[in-house]
Amino acid sequence: EVQLVESGGGLVQPGGSLRLSCAASGFTFSSYWMSWVRQAPGKGLEWVANIQQDGDEKYYVDSVKGRFTISRDNAKNSLFLQMNSLRAEDTAVYYCARAHSKGFDYWGQGTLVTVSS
Amino acid sequence: DIVMTQSPDSLAVSLGERATINCKSSQSVLYSSNNKNYLAWYQQKPGQPPKLLIYWASTRESGVPDRLSGSGSGTDFTLTISSLQAEDVAVYYCQHYYSTPPTFGQGTKLEIK
Repeated sequence: EVQLVESGGGLVQPGGSLRLSCAASGFTFSSYWMSWVRQAPGKGLEWVANIQQDGDEKYYVDSVKGRFTISRDNAKNSLFLQMNSLRAEDTAVYYCARAHSKGFDYWGQGTLVTVSS
Repeated sequence: DIVMTQSPDSLAVSLGERATINCKSSQSVLYSSNNKNYLAWYQQKPGQPPKLLIYWASTRESGVPDRLSGSGSGTDFTLTISSLQAEDVAVYYCQHYYSTPPTFGQGTKLEIK
């Protein structure tokens, strides 16, 4: 059974940093692109970043470029999102999702990031 | 970036009746080399992550009831629920994966009338 479990969310002050993690199991993690997708409270879905199987290619939504870094550790079946210079508008539930040729076929339960003073 | 626009924003349908949600992309998401539309539909219930329902615009994901179907090509797409059940109450999103960034529609909230 495919499982994606996020962790690392919490309350952080504007300008602060957080590192999100996603533990993957039930599939060959190193064979898939992986993504982070976020959802602000009461709002829609926004893709944040994705990373190629070997980590060489990474893409970001414009609003987080230069502040967020996606990475992965295939030996530990883990996906990460380092978030720096956080802003109030980054407040959201952050989902880890498996990227497939058919879209995002598996999602974690999400971890809430709240940026507030 | 490709902009995805759904209509309506909300929809109330009686149990057993048909529900139709539309999605329009600002440019074609049909990949000519394989004749596939890079368009997916998701269902999200309160407090849950999105669930993939339909991919390639019309292919049902494993386990999705056949009363849900997707159609369309190019820039215009439709998600249809042929006979609404109580468990279909949710927010539905379309999403293209034709290019980066993959973008979502704003969502359509489906309720029981």
